[in-house]
Amino acid sequence: AQKITQTQPGMFVQEKEAVTLDCTYDTSDQSYGLFWYKQPSSGEMIFLIYQGSYDEQNATEGRYSLNFQKARKSANLVISASQLGDSAMYFCAMRESSSASKIIFGSGTRLSIRP
Amino acid sequence: KAGVTQTPRYLIKTRGQQVTLSCSPISGHRSVSWYQQTPGQGLQFLFEYFSETQRNKGNFPGRFSGRQFSNSRSEMNVSTLELGDSALYLCASSTAGAYEQYFGPGTRLTVT
Repeated sequence: AQKITQTQPGMFVQEKEAVTLDCTYDTSDQSYGLFWYKQPSSGEMIFLIYQGSYDEQNATEGRYSLNFQKARKSANLVISASQLGDSAMYFCAMRESSSASKIIFGSGTRLSIRP
Repeated sequence: KAGVTQTPRYLIKTRGQQVTLSCSPISGHRSVSWYQQTPGQGLQFLFEYFSETQRNKGNFPGRFSGRQFSNSRSEMNVSTLELGDSALYLCASSTAGAYEQYFGPGTRLTVT
């Protein structure tokens, strides 16, 4: 069964430091997509980055990069040079090709950036 | 391009009532998915509509239903509300065949 695990309920990071948010997943599908979303206190889910299971290179979007280790079923999010506005909940998610539209989310990591 | 919009943003209902939430996807997106977010259960998939047809459904009771119109706008309905239905309901849209979904701001439903 598909599953997303985020083992860090909360993290505190100093402004301008880099931070890594952990995510492991479990699936029997060969074709799947992995995502990271940011949810500020306003509630809206903001799409950050996507990695396809067949993508050979790690995805990057500005200050966000996804450290994809397929053999370990790991998809960690790296935020470089953190900013105060990065304080939010972060969710790792997966979508299997066999389940079409259904996205499974992890439990989230609350990231707090200290000035 | 305008994002996903959801109305209303906040709603207070009493037990036993029913409620209808609305979602307008990004222009050109034909797939609309609904999710429920609660502190205890996290984010859970409710259902997905594509071209007016329900294509996928999560593990929710029949009190939760939805539909999609020809302009891709979607509504979800919850009948006979229970206290446990209090949650943030999120709608997401995507283009056909795309993995990534884009979410709206959500509707926060409180059942008293």
